[in-house]
Amino acid sequence: QKEVEQDPGPLSVPEGAIVSLNCTYSNSAFQYFMWYRQYSRKGPELLMYTYSSGNKEDGRFTAQVDKSSKYISLFIRDSQPSDSATYLCAMINYGQNFVFGPGTRLSVLP
Amino acid sequence: EPEVTQTPSHQVTQMGQEVILRCVPISNHLYFYWYRQILGQKVEFLVSFYNNEISEKSEIFDDQFSVERPDGSNFTLKIRSTKLEDSAMYFCASSDGLANTGELFFGEGSRLTVL
Repeated sequence: QKEVEQDPGPLSVPEGAIVSLNCTYSNSAFQYFMWYRQYSRKGPELLMYTYSSGNKEDGRFTAQVDKSSKYISLFIRDSQPSDSATYLCAMINYGQNFVFGPGTRLSVLP
Repeated sequence: EPEVTQTPSHQVTQMGQEVILRCVPISNHLYFYWYRQILGQKVEFLVSFYNNEISEKSEIFDDQFSVERPDGSNFTLKIRSTKLEDSAMYFCASSDGLANTGELFFGEGSRLTVL
């Protein structure tokens, strides 16, 4: 089993839709969870950063962590064409290095 | 807003040549990283660097790779003898957090094309 799994997509949604992006992981020691957005040929940009289980909201973005299920989600409300990008989940155990999911490609159609 | 900067943005080289990719991390950050992303594939960890030494490296980071922090601001990745399969985007990242728990900030990447 891969350490972090993520549906690669592509995921296409109409403008204004609610988008749900998900990752599952196998290492129960992961404690810090991040979502990055990566535009084509650009570096990953940090969107959300959460510690342990729970929800965190920032504008149109909500990150959710369920450690009991080893499952994390990113919700995007009122999606915009500018949200079209690849979304990478990443996670880390204290003292270790970041492990990235393979990314989900999202297209928001106007 | 502080950012990680990388040069060159694109380098084309012949197989067997040495390449140096340069990075200027965010100034108060203490942890530095190199990642690579082969076109269409996932972001892969190469190496982390703290307190002027490598703290961890992946199996990708073999003897052909080296990193250096030659002065107070630059962080370089050297590939001694490039291979075709080294063609990728190379991302530098830095963090200010406690050992690897801080937020990771990435540069825009250096695209390496090996012919």
